[in-house]
Amino acid sequence: NAGVMQNPRHLVRRRGQEARLRCSPMKGHSHVYWYRQLPEEGLKFMVYLQKENIIDESGMPKERFSAEFPKEGPSILRIQQVVRGDSAAYFCASSPRVGDGDQPQHFGDGTRLSIL
Amino acid sequence: LAKTTQPISMDSYEGQEVNITCSHNNIATNDYITWYQQFPSQGPRFIIQGYKTKVTNEVASLFIPADRKSSTLSLPRVSLSDTAVYYCLVGDGDTGKLIFGQGTTLQVKP
Repeated sequence: NAGVMQNPRHLVRRRGQEARLRCSPMKGHSHVYWYRQLPEEGLKFMVYLQKENIIDESGMPKERFSAEFPKEGPSILRIQQVVRGDSAAYFCASSPRVGDGDQPQHFGDGTRLSIL
Repeated sequence: LAKTTQPISMDSYEGQEVNITCSHNNIATNDYITWYQQFPSQGPRFIIQGYKTKVTNEVASLFIPADRKSSTLSLPRVSLSDTAVYYCLVGDGDTGKLIFGQGTTLQVKP
């Protein structure tokens, strides 16, 4: 079974451009989470989505950031008008359902975003 | 969601047992405890998860006392490849949201 797939693995953008990060959850998983990790720090929750619904976006900046998880296709994290402070590793995780002790989140290997 | 506190770093030697204790004083009834391992340039990898008492799998054991205000990850006979950052997390039983702390950097020496 394929794990959580994120692409691209590395993304370079200039200030002011848009960054689109994609995440394909594990087969059968309908819950997707996005996290951001700055160097030497732990991951910070950004947003939790189910198919076609944003459930919790409390960790996502109100401006320039958006996320979606359409009925078909991968989940997308979009960052508009990127700034240097957006440089980080962005991780996606998926699970088949919520709050079940037997169903932990599985993480992809992240997209490393660098802003020039 | 409960905040977790764990040692920033630990050193060990190959073949030793390593115990990493994490405190989570404000854990809620529905929350569960999860441990992840992360290597540089990789995503966190699930190690073990539990709600109470003791859980054991092929790589680790998790000890959770009755009050659930702390938990201890036990890694038997560590090797050099176990050098990594270990995160203790409390997962929201209703939303599944995980709150990461700074983790414990484990350095295994030969």
